Amino acid sequence: GAGVSQTPSNKVTEKGKYVELRCDPISGHTALYWYRQSLGQGPEFLIYFQGTGAADDSGLPNDRFFAVRPEGSVSTLKIQRTERGDSAVYLCASSLLAEGDTQYFGPGTRLTVL
Amino acid sequence: GEDVEQSLFLSVREGDSSVINCTYTDSSSTYLYWYKQEPGAGLQLLTYIFSNMDMKQDQRLTVLLNKKDKHLSLRIADTQTGDSAIYFCAQRWEYGNKLVFGAGTILRVKS
Repeated sequence: GAGVSQTPSNKVTEKGKYVELRCDPISGHTALYWYRQSLGQGPEFLIYFQGTGAADDSGLPNDRFFAVRPEGSVSTLKIQRTERGDSAVYLCASSLLAEGDTQYFGPGTRLTVL
Repeated sequence: GEDVEQSLFLSVREGDSSVINCTYTDSSSTYLYWYKQEPGAGLQLLTYIFSNMDMKQDQRLTVLLNKKDKHLSLRIADTQTGDSAIYFCAQRWEYGNKLVFGAGTILRVKS
């Protein structure tokens, strides 16, 4: 079946602009995760959804970052007033169950803030 | 705190075995994963092991876990050029949700 998909694959924006990144999880997966991968680093956890609610948002770096999952499927990561330091690959993952299940990753969105 | 560390780079000849190493923080109940990332692509799950196991084998891949030393390794037998990629070790507590990743090991396979 289809894997996790993310759009756009690349996004270039200017400092101070607002961006939205979209994630479509594997059909039927209840849990959804966002990670951020900076150049030369491993992914770092941002936020985790169980259904529609954010069960753990401890990895969001500041209040410019926000994510939603209104119908328990597609999720959108929103970044306000982007900064050059936000440039990274944003990865989405989903898992069938809640805690304790294997996460499957999408191809990521490469965000470049000029 | 949570910390996963990996060696930065490994170069092997085609047909040889590759061994990629990882150390992790102490936990009595944890899952340890190996992911592969090719240029411009997302993370592909290769295999995983639970902390009550010592070894897991899956075709060309062998995972060894040394709980005493908190050391995890991934052995790739008969390494091929298509195995060239970045390999990430990641840890997740049994009832946790987030993965904690190492910085990745670049595997280069020379033909």
